Amino acid sequence: AQKITQTQPGMFVQEKEAVTLDCTYDTSDPSYGLFWYKQPSSGEMIFLIYQGSYDQQNATEGRYSLNFQKARKSANLVISASQLGDSAMYFCAMRPPGRGSTLGRLYFGRGTQLTVWP
Amino acid sequence: DSGVTQTPKHLITATGQRVTLRCSPRSGDLSVYWYQQSLDQGLQFLIQYYNGEERAKGNILERFSAQQFPDLHSELNLSSLELGDSALYFCASSVDPTISQETQYFGPGTRLLVL
Repeated sequence: AQKITQTQPGMFVQEKEAVTLDCTYDTSDPSYGLFWYKQPSSGEMIFLIYQGSYDQQNATEGRYSLNFQKARKSANLVISASQLGDSAMYFCAMRPPGRGSTLGRLYFGRGTQLTVWP
Repeated sequence: DSGVTQTPKHLITATGQRVTLRCSPRSGDLSVYWYQQSLDQGLQFLIQYYNGEERAKGNILERFSAQQFPDLHSELNLSSLELGDSALYFCASSVDPTISQETQYFGPGTRLLVL
């Protein structure tokens, strides 16, 4: 079974500082995709970044980067130069290979509430 | 704006009632996914359609059903509603569900409150 663990219910960071949000996953499939989504208080789910299990380099998207350690099964999100608008819930998700009952579905962690203070 | 639209944004109804949530995927996307987000269960996958056909099923209750129409929009029907069905229901879309690296883009969600 697929499982995503986010051990930090809440994190606080000062504006302009960097912050790391932890995510570990459990899967026996060698091929999978890892995603991070942001959910502000307004409720929408915003895609941030993707990492493939076979990707050699860590993914980056602007101020977001993914610290991917495959052997440890971790996919931590790093947000550099935090902004007040980064305050939101952040979800890590995994997508196993597209077949059978798991076709296309995302498995989500419980999320980390990030608060950025001035 | 993800390009995925959902209506209505908010829905308040009573126990025992039936409601229909509607989703239009991004232009060009053939696959639609439904997720439920509640405080106790977190984000749970419900069901997935691809080009009009059901392709994957998650923890969807028998009281719930969905379909995808020829124009690719999808509807999630929730019947005999219970208090515990109160949640945020998301629709997401993508082009091809067999590609694990493909991103799913989420709609703004429908917030359902059952009183």
